[in-house]
Amino acid sequence: GQSLEQPSEVTAVEGAIVQINCTYQTSGFYGLSWYQQHDGGAPTFLSYNGLDGLEETGRFSSFLSRSDSYGYLLLQELQMKDSASYFCAVPRGQNFVFGPGTRLSVLP
Amino acid sequence: GAGVSQSPSNKVTEKGKDVELRCDPISGHTALYWYRQSLGQGLEFLIYFQGNSAPDKSGLPSDRFSAERTGGSVSTLTIQRTQQEDSAVYLCASSPQGADTDTQYFGPGTRLTVL
Repeated sequence: GQSLEQPSEVTAVEGAIVQINCTYQTSGFYGLSWYQQHDGGAPTFLSYNGLDGLEETGRFSSFLSRSDSYGYLLLQELQMKDSASYFCAVPRGQNFVFGPGTRLSVLP
Repeated sequence: GAGVSQSPSNKVTEKGKDVELRCDPISGHTALYWYRQSLGQGLEFLIYFQGNSAPDKSGLPSDRFSAERTGGSVSTLTIQRTQQEDSAVYLCASSPQGADTDTQYFGPGTRLTVL
């Protein structure tokens, strides 16, 4: 089966850099995705790592180390609008397992 | 183009009643997922449809839950004899082909409250 672990909460100030970690235990691995969800909103896709290394998309980057069963989402130049919950997810067969989510609070 | 839509946006029902939740996926997407999210919690997988294949129902919590997808498009999630623990936001998502690398596009969800 699959299980994912994330910190429940992270707090940072505007302009800072924050890293949200995700560790996983899976029976087989096919990639790690990240989704953002604002309060009351729907999750939206941020990034996908199918291979080890860093994927960069603007202010957001995602990293994967399959040998360590570990990944992270890196948010740079934090803005107030980045306050949201962030979920990592892994494929399980034809569907997906989501982590419990990390609530990011960005302070002025 | 239009995104994933869900209806109703909010549903309040009494314990023991049946409810139907509707999902309209993005046109052309063959994969459709239902998830449940309790307040402040992660997403719990419920059921997955892919094209004409038999659905993956492994996440349905009890036999009170069922889902259909008609014509490979619209899906309905039915909860019979609702219980208070069924209160949650029910999210629907679709993806082009259901591949591991596909982005899932989520609808706005239906907030179900069982009194």
